[in-house]
Order: sequence, then structure tokens, then C-alpha cells
Amino acid sequence: QVHLVQTGAEVKTVGSSVKVSCKASGGSLSTFSFVWVRQAPGQGLEWVGGIIPKSLVSNNAQRFMGRVRITADEPASSVHMELTRLTSQDTAVYFCARATGNVGWRGAFDLWGQGTLVTVSS
Amino acid sequence: DIQMTQSPSTLSASVGDRVTITCRASQTIGNWLAWYQQKPGSAPNLLISETSTLQSGVPSRFSGSGSGTEFTLTINSLQPDDFATYFCQQYNDYGPTFGGGTRVEIK
Repeated sequence: QVHLVQTGAEVKTVGSSVKVSCKASGGSLSTFSFVWVRQAPGQGLEWVGGIIPKSLVSNNAQRFMGRVRITADEPASSVHMELTRLTSQDTAVYFCARATGNVGWRGAFDLWGQGTLVTVSS
Repeated sequence: DIQMTQSPSTLSASVGDRVTITCRASQTIGNWLAWYQQKPGSAPNLLISETSTLQSGVPSRFSGSGSGTEFTLTINSLQPDDFATYFCQQYNDYGPTFGGGTRVEIK
């Protein structure tokens, strides 16, 4: 059974970058697409971006203004999210998730990583 | 972006109650709507996809309905394990968006 296992918590300073990884343990990325979703403390869920590992096509939410880079490494069964020029507003738990369906990440998300807390301090 | 408005934001109920959560989309999304349950410190768990398709292992007391712009999640006979926060999510396009969440608490 596949599990999504994410890297551990990060503490970063304003203006720096963070990279969070997500590994499909017990399986491969297969033909699925993956997304990153974040949740600020006590807040709701926000889509960050998505990727189709087979084609390496990716996109992210416009509000991140080019600060997000989502990549995939099929041999390593991993997807990664790098967020640059961090501000305190980026403090959140970042989740990777697998999308259902067969039209990229346009689907419900049926398998989630455990989440990675990214704390940005000045 | 398609805006998703969930109501109520908080709901107080007792074990055995029937509860209904509503999600409204700012434009039509067909049936491309999912519901998630989230407990503190955990990732969201997919309950229902495509408006009404129950995921494997999800109890049948959960059901979803609606289409277009208005959707509901119903929990029949609320159980202790159901006290959690619920989110809707639209996936009509490649910029999925979530509702603000409904916290179901013990009355």
C-alpha cells in the first residue's frame, strides 16, 4: 500500500527558501498527478500547485507570483516543492496529496502526506 | 478563481443527530466537488468525490448531493468519531479551491 511520506519540519528566516519533499513509499508515482496544499495555523486549505510527473507539466496558484517551483523525480518516486522569498505569511503546514482522475491534478485528493510544518521567522 | 462558500462555519450537535453542511460555488462546477474530514494534527481525509461518490471505507451515514453551484454533505446519526472539521473542494478547473471549513462540535 502506498503512503506519502514528507520531509520534516523546517524553520526558516524571512527572505530565504524552503524545499519540502514527498516520497511515495511502497510504490511509484505511477500515472498519478500530485498537488501541494497548505494550511496556515487555524486556517483553511489552500492549493499551492500541482504536477504531472510523467510529463513534468506543473503549475501553481497565481498568488505565489513565481515563488513556487514544483518538481518530480520519478526514479526516486518523489515530488518536491520549493518556495522562495519566504515571508511570515508562508508559515503553514504543507501537504502533498495524490489526485484522482486522469486529467492532471484536476481531481479529488485521495492520498495525503502527513504534512510538513514550515515556520518563517524574522 | 472559483470561490467556495461553506456554511455554517461551526455547528454544535449531539450524537445521533442528522447534520447538513452546505457548500456554494461562485460559478457552476458541474459535479466536480469533493468533501474532506480533518481532525486536529492530521491531514484531510477524502470522504466523497464527484458530489456523491463515497470513498471506500467511509461509513454510509455520510452522503453528498447537489450540482451546479449548491452542494450538501449530510451525516446521518452523528457518531463520536465524526466531531471534526469538514471542507468542500471544487475541481472543475486546474486551480482547485476549498471552502472555509465547518467545525462540527459536541453540543
